[in-house]
Amino acid sequence: QVQLVESGGGVVQPGRSLRLSCAASGFTFNMYDMQWVRQAPGKGLQWLTSISHDGNNKDYAESVRGRFTISRDNSIQTLYLQISSLTNEDTAVYYCARDGGVHVAGAIDYWGQGTLVTVSS
Amino acid sequence: ETVLTQSPGTLSLSPGERATLSCRASQSVRSIYVAWYQQKPGQAPRLLIYGASGRATGIPDRFSGSGSGTDFTLTINRLEPEDFAVYYCHQYGSSPTFGQGTKVEIK
Repeated sequence: QVQLVESGGGVVQPGRSLRLSCAASGFTFNMYDMQWVRQAPGKGLQWLTSISHDGNNKDYAESVRGRFTISRDNSIQTLYLQISSLTNEDTAVYYCARDGGVHVAGAIDYWGQGTLVTVSS
Repeated sequence: ETVLTQSPGTLSLSPGERATLSCRASQSVRSIYVAWYQQKPGQAPRLLIYGASGRATGIPDRFSGSGSGTDFTLTINRLEPEDFAVYYCHQYGSSPTFGQGTKVEIK
């Protein structure tokens, strides 16, 4: 079955950087576009970024462009999110998500359980 | 950026009743790029509806989606106890965005 397992979250000081990972299994990773979505405590969902199946095309929300970098390593079925210059507003659960492709018109069909990033001094 | 505004913020209903959730976009969105998700406390979201009206695998037929242009609706017929949750609409045509959510709570 499809599994997406995020890691790399934790408590980090403002101004520092962090890299989140998402280990994918149960499907052919290199055939799917992938995304990151976050959710601040008690708040709604915020789309952050996406990457094409081959890593050649990336898109970012305007609010995080320049500070967030998405990447992937298809050889080890892993998605990454590099976050720099962290601020308190980056405190959230970060979800790795799969773009389901044509059979769900490109909607997100699988989500990881999320990894919590807390920015605090 | 396309802003999605969901209403109402909270819907208080009893099991067996019908829930009607609205999602209004600040500009026209292609229906094929509209989805609805359900989220329960402590869980990741779950895909319910894609392409505005397509039901995802395993989703009961009491869930239905409709709409076009700037107005989209999620309808839940005959609410079951497990349907009380937060629901989000999502447009993923370009620069994807989510609505702020509608909480369906037990009256």
